[in-house]
Parts: sequence; C-alpha cells; structure tokens
Amino acid sequence: GAGVSQSPSNKVTEKGKDVELRCDPISGHTALYWYRQSLGQGLEFLIYFQGNSAPDKSGLPSDRFSAERTGGSVSTLTIQRTQQEDSAVYLCASSSQAGARTEKLFFGSGTQLSVL
Amino acid sequence: GNSVTQMEGPVTLSEEAFLTINCTYTATGYPSLFWYVQYPGEGLQLLLKATKADDKGSNKGFEATYRKETTSFHLEKGSVQVSDSAVYFCALSDLTSGSARQLTFGSGTQLTVLP
Repeated sequence: GAGVSQSPSNKVTEKGKDVELRCDPISGHTALYWYRQSLGQGLEFLIYFQGNSAPDKSGLPSDRFSAERTGGSVSTLTIQRTQQEDSAVYLCASSSQAGARTEKLFFGSGTQLSVL
Repeated sequence: GNSVTQMEGPVTLSEEAFLTINCTYTATGYPSLFWYVQYPGEGLQLLLKATKADDKGSNKGFEATYRKETTSFHLEKGSVQVSDSAVYFCALSDLTSGSARQLTFGSGTQLTVLP
C-alpha cells in the first residue's frame, strides 16, 4: 500500500487477555519501529527491526511484550496478560534510511488499545 | 539521557494569529531535531527537521531554528489556518550516543485554530 497500515484501529480487551497488533510497513522499507503513546505522554520507543539484524528490544517495558517481523515485512506486536496500564495508542513506523542522520519515519495511524 | 520538553497545551488561536510552540532538549551528543504533526485521524508526519546548529527547517509556512546555545527548536508560523489544527511533536535523534534508532519525543502540543 501507499502508507504504513496498522490493524485493528481500535481494540478493547479484558485485563489478563493476550492481544496482537499488526503493522504493514511501506513496501521496501527495511526499518520498522513500534512506539507507544500513553495519554498525556510523549511517544515511547518499544522495539526496532532493521533488515535481518537482531531487533533492538531495549524499549520493551516488560517480558509480557514481544514482537516479530516475518519475511522482513509485516510485524506483529504481542502483549500477553494485558494490564490496564497497557492502555495506549500503539504506533508503527517504517523507514528506508535506518540510522541516517536525516532518517524520515512514516507512521501508521496507530492502534488504540483499551484494557478494561 | 536524552529528553525533549514541549510547551504544554492545548493551544487555541484565531485564524491568522502568530504561533509559537516551544521545544527544548537535553542530549549527550549532537542531535538532529524534528517536528512531527498528527492531524486528526491520521498518522504522524514529519513536518520539518534540522540536523546541525543554526539550521532552519521549514515547511508549509512553519519554521524552526536549531539553537544550540539555548538547546531549543521552537516551532513558529506567522499566520495559522484552521487546517493547521493538529497535535505537534518535537523530537530528537542522537547519532553520537548510539541511539539513532530511538527518536525521543516530547509529549505533544494540541493546537486548535478557530475560524
């Protein structure tokens, strides 16, 4: 597609359930990022994929969070045993200039996750 | 560590008013600085950027100058329009600290322009 696509756009779940969030980056972009935007907070880096390199998971807040990127394209962010504090907008971004000083990120519209 | 502090919102202006959204940063190295914009219902978009001191980024009538001496990157526009209503994020990327992959964002400033 023309832009970064995320699904679902909204997800309501019960505390303790697992959720999967999907990101479809721009075709040909080798770098993929997941961010989290909590209410009133800035964007928080979660994880970064670049080509076939090992992902940078340094931003994941706990071991309940994991992410995969299959075939260097689509990525799935999984949150196990969700907690109310996981409620946020989860944003995915992709880039073709990973690590460049003028790297430009293209963001999806995000998934609004609400944990009841 | 790196951090970005943005002017707290929300900001409400009348059409054709002058806009300033303040942004200051703390970084261990020599960061690149960015302003991103998020229009209602859309994803974040890069608005403008500056990669070294005294650079001025500009786009769509918006400007921001990289001021190393004051560690600031304030966003300005001389005459806002209703269509500028959005959330604006200041961000930095610091290559020298090895965290190039990790943009650090401010908390965002909601701008509403009234006709």
